[in-house]
Amino acid sequence: QSALTQPRSVSGSPGQSVAISCTGTSSDVGGYNYVSWYQQHPGKAPKLMIYDLNKRPSGVPDRFSGSKSGNTASLTISGLQAEDEADYYCCSYAGNPYVFGTGTKVTVL
Amino acid sequence: EVQLVESGGGLVQPGGSLRLSCAASGFTFSSYWMSWVRQAPGKGLEWLANINQDGSEKYDVVSVKGRFTISRDNAQNSLYLQMNSLRAEDTAVYFCARFLSFALIYWGQGTLVTVSS
Repeated sequence: QSALTQPRSVSGSPGQSVAISCTGTSSDVGGYNYVSWYQQHPGKAPKLMIYDLNKRPSGVPDRFSGSKSGNTASLTISGLQAEDEADYYCCSYAGNPYVFGTGTKVTVL
Repeated sequence: EVQLVESGGGLVQPGGSLRLSCAASGFTFSSYWMSWVRQAPGKGLEWLANINQDGSEKYDVVSVKGRFTISRDNAQNSLYLQMNSLRAEDTAVYFCARFLSFALIYWGQGTLVTVSS
């Protein structure tokens, strides 16, 4: 199972919106609505931001949203804030086990 | 409060073995699928293995198949990862995590495994 493809980096100014893409195949992203997104700050454990494509766990701001079109999922961060600067990973169910994306570094300018 | 605490990491020689443990608290451990995920230094996340509530279903990735075994002891609220035939490329921080639907909502702080002579 190959890793899902994400851009290496995206950046935006405070208050702007950024989108991170996550491209897979019909065997993972395209085949299931079980895409999740994780935020990871340096030296910390990942934090779940979006699950089941577009659901937010309790405590995650509604600035974070998820969507999918075909074999590509996306995470959109609206109203970018300084604390959003981190690495982000997508993940998809692929019929066990799961597969992570390559990771995207979000920089707040 | 949900807590997952990994232990058992350390320095091991190539070809050696280690058993990682994950102590769970703050939730009914026997009711959830659990997973191990690793992250090599400076690299991305890699899903390693899943186990269902009673340990009767296990899934792992090709890169560790036949070398790593996931297991659990619900009486001890503990998750394990037995790692054999370790290679340099297995050097990573190993996380245990709990499922929410088809995602991992709670994570431990990780334990570092270094494979080197």
